[in-house]
Amino acid sequence: AQSVTQLGSHVSVSEGALVLLRCNYSSSVPPYLFWYVQYPNQGLQLLLKYTSAATLVKGINGFEAEFKKSETSFHLTKPSAHMSDAAEYFCAVRVFSGTYKYIFGTGTRLKVLA
Amino acid sequence: KAGVTQTPRYLIKTRGQQVTLSCSPISGHRSVSWYQQTPGQGLQFLFEYFSETQRNKGNFPGRFSGRQFSNSRSEMNVSTLELGDSALYLCASSLAPTSGSYNEQFFGPGTRLTVL
Repeated sequence: AQSVTQLGSHVSVSEGALVLLRCNYSSSVPPYLFWYVQYPNQGLQLLLKYTSAATLVKGINGFEAEFKKSETSFHLTKPSAHMSDAAEYFCAVRVFSGTYKYIFGTGTRLKVLA
Repeated sequence: KAGVTQTPRYLIKTRGQQVTLSCSPISGHRSVSWYQQTPGQGLQFLFEYFSETQRNKGNFPGRFSGRQFSNSRSEMNVSTLELGDSALYLCASSLAPTSGSYNEQFFGPGTRLTVL
């Protein structure tokens, strides 16, 4: 079955430190991959997406992610964390199984320490 | 352009009751998808509507149903509520069905349902 695994339901980093949020997927064919961010009391906002073009994808707010087919990974990074990055982050995959569907990971809550 | 709106934002119901949630998509968007978000489960796809027709369905019991109106607004209904139905219900709109060619989804703020 196709799935998305986010390692670490909670991640804490110091302000200014590297942010690394991990996402692994399982899919029989190269999928479309997404990272979304959710701030408290808000819906999900698209950070970036991979749609089989460049493997390094740049998104909003200084985030980027690299698609690594050999590792079936799509980890999200940001060189320097800011207090405003504190939120929940969801990795998602769009796969075809009779029809296209989105499968979301269980989310990673990022805490930024002053 | 206004974003996706969902009403109400918060609901408290008791077991056995039913509930109706509403979603108004971005103007011009004709597809609406519904998701259930719970801690530890992430987002689970409920169903998608386009042109008043259900185009795609997730693995939820028949107590969960939806519909879409001619103005693309959508409602979802949950009958005979159970404690496990407590969740944040998100809707997302897109120009065309996400079940076909790629169309970006735009999410609303959600309705938080608490079942006592």
